[in-house]
Amino acid sequence: DAGVTQSPTHLIKTRGQQVTLRCSPKSGHDTVSWYQQALGQGPQFIFQYYEEEERQRGNFPDRFSGHQFPNYSSELNVNALLLGDSALYLCASSLWDRMETQYFGPGTRLLVL
Amino acid sequence: KQEVTQIPAALSVPEGENLVLNCSFTDSAIYNLQWFRQDPGKGLTSLLLIQSSQREQTSGRLNASLDKSSGRSTLYIAASQPGDSATYLCAVFGGGYQKVTFGTGTKLQVIP
Repeated sequence: DAGVTQSPTHLIKTRGQQVTLRCSPKSGHDTVSWYQQALGQGPQFIFQYYEEEERQRGNFPDRFSGHQFPNYSSELNVNALLLGDSALYLCASSLWDRMETQYFGPGTRLLVL
Repeated sequence: KQEVTQIPAALSVPEGENLVLNCSFTDSAIYNLQWFRQDPGKGLTSLLLIQSSQREQTSGRLNASLDKSSGRSTLYIAASQPGDSATYLCAVFGGGYQKVTFGTGTKLQVIP
């Protein structure tokens, strides 16, 4: 079992561009959550997907959107990138209704110039 | 709104020392608290999970306690080793359906 995988590992974009990050969950997990972790901070919850629908959302603007596919993998899209979007983006998979079972991926490091 | 604070922000100790990391939260209506470890530039690894009905959990050299009424949890690491060097994060589940709030972490350095 490869655990949670994320791609790409690193990404550099310029302000105003759009970015798509990808996540494959741990085998057997059906729920994917996305987090943003700024340097020196704890992860901030962005949103959660289950059964291909957004189930919960943190305090993030609509520029942040996502998708879950029938195989449970997920994408995070960020439009109109700002310098402040530079962060480590973490994906975590879990069983629905049991977030304490979360397994985290290694993250995607996004730098916005 | 749940707020989670971790003190100290950074800690440096000699190898072999016992140490305590602290986590405090403002809303005691939680149903789980979880401690994670994060190595530089990497994802999070779950260390211990304490359910709201429990007061502590142990795994090897790690012991985590939970006092909901005072809004506090501690992570005790016995006989620290250089391999324990990492950032330790606590996460509180509650304040809404499956809502999770992370602390800002304690960066631990164990000196050989």
